[in-house]
Amino acid sequence: EAQVTQNPRYLITVTGKKLTVTCSQNMNHEYMSWYRQDPGLGLRQIYYSMNVEVTDKGDVPEGYKVSRKEKRNFPLILESPSPNQTSLYFCASSSDRYQETQYFGPGTRLLVL
Amino acid sequence: AQSVTQLGSHVSVSEGALVLLRCNYSSSVPPYLFWYVQYPNQGLQLLLKYTSAATLVKGINGFEAEFKKSETSFHLTKPSAHMSDAAEYFCAVSDRGNQGGKLIFGQGTELSVKP
Repeated sequence: EAQVTQNPRYLITVTGKKLTVTCSQNMNHEYMSWYRQDPGLGLRQIYYSMNVEVTDKGDVPEGYKVSRKEKRNFPLILESPSPNQTSLYFCASSSDRYQETQYFGPGTRLLVL
Repeated sequence: AQSVTQLGSHVSVSEGALVLLRCNYSSSVPPYLFWYVQYPNQGLQLLLKYTSAATLVKGINGFEAEFKKSETSFHLTKPSAHMSDAAEYFCAVSDRGNQGGKLIFGQGTELSVKP
């Protein structure tokens, strides 16, 4: 089954404690993105990757890092989380930049105290 | 720059009634447009997309949308609402100036269906 998986699904942490949210896709897609969803703002892109070792900033990259060492995996790293990073995070992958469907993971709900 | 505006953050309809969710876009190039649905505690699922073929696009679950260039609109409709349609709906445009395939999303419209 074609899918994007994320772990963990729910996470409560404290300010400053480093965390990683994993993302994996089994569709051999080149393009992967991280979005955050906040009420009234829709989804906003944090980082994206066009292929292995190729990543770039999206609209709201501050406080986040990513890496793409393997095609299937695209982890999101919060080196020093802050309360304003409390949000719902989605990983997505696609075979094409513009026209094709982006497949979304189930989401990770993060609370930073 | 491209943008998307969804009119109405909450829409409520009765079961069996017409569903109309409004989306207007701004784009300096021919747009690729998408509607996604998000059920509670789930990720986003594609309903339908427009990529410059037929202007009337049919999607899953009986939804359709019509691309109207003159009105810069891509409204989502369904003739008869079902209780299972209650969800949040997002209109999005593909940012063709972005190297990594960014979708620009509207703010979302929450659809409630009353029995």
